[in-house]
Amino acid sequence: NAGVMQNPRHLVRRRGQEARLRCSPMKGHSHVYWYRQLPEEGLKFMVYLQKENIIDESGMPKERFSAEFPKEGPSILRIQQVVRGDSAAYFCASSPQRSSGNTIYFGEGSWLTVV
Amino acid sequence: AQSVTQLDSQVPVFEEAPVELRCNYSSSVSVYLFWYVQYPNQGLQLLLKYLSGSTLVKGINGFEAEFNKSQTSFHLRKPSVHISDTAEYFCAVSDQQRTGNQFYFGTGTSLTVIP
Repeated sequence: NAGVMQNPRHLVRRRGQEARLRCSPMKGHSHVYWYRQLPEEGLKFMVYLQKENIIDESGMPKERFSAEFPKEGPSILRIQQVVRGDSAAYFCASSPQRSSGNTIYFGEGSWLTVV
Repeated sequence: AQSVTQLDSQVPVFEEAPVELRCNYSSSVSVYLFWYVQYPNQGLQLLLKYLSGSTLVKGINGFEAEFNKSQTSFHLRKPSVHISDTAEYFCAVSDQQRTGNQFYFGTGTSLTVIP
């Protein structure tokens, strides 16, 4: 049973370009979460999605960031017009149920560097 | 709202010595508690979790943690560390009342085991 798969693992973008990060949850998991880890900081919640629905986006920056989890295919975190401050590790996690007692399983992360 | 404080950003310890990584949380509601470990350039792996029942929780790799409700703490301990325990450790809480798995993470403690 494959774990949470994220790609690309490393992505370099110039300021103003777009970054797309993909996440395939574990088999049987229908809930996806995105977190951002800035250097020397902990993980900050960004968004929680189910298939075709955004459940909680309270941690998403108001501009340039968007996320989706279509009926078919991976979840995508999209960052438009990237700036240096977007450089971070972006982690996706998934869980099988909505109960808050469930463990969430993390992917290995996508490291975005904006130059 | 919930918040998590990890009091020590860096903890150096000699091999085979005991270690305690501290975690305090604040919440107006009951929470579930978790410890995750992150090895360099990897995602987070669950070490252990407290949902209910016995306040002493045993996890993988010989780690354990004790939930103390009166002190709102969930400190992680290991009686004898190995070189391979060198990693970043994150404490997290999840709101029992809230549907969905929005986890709140501390800023992490970097454990370095010295040979």
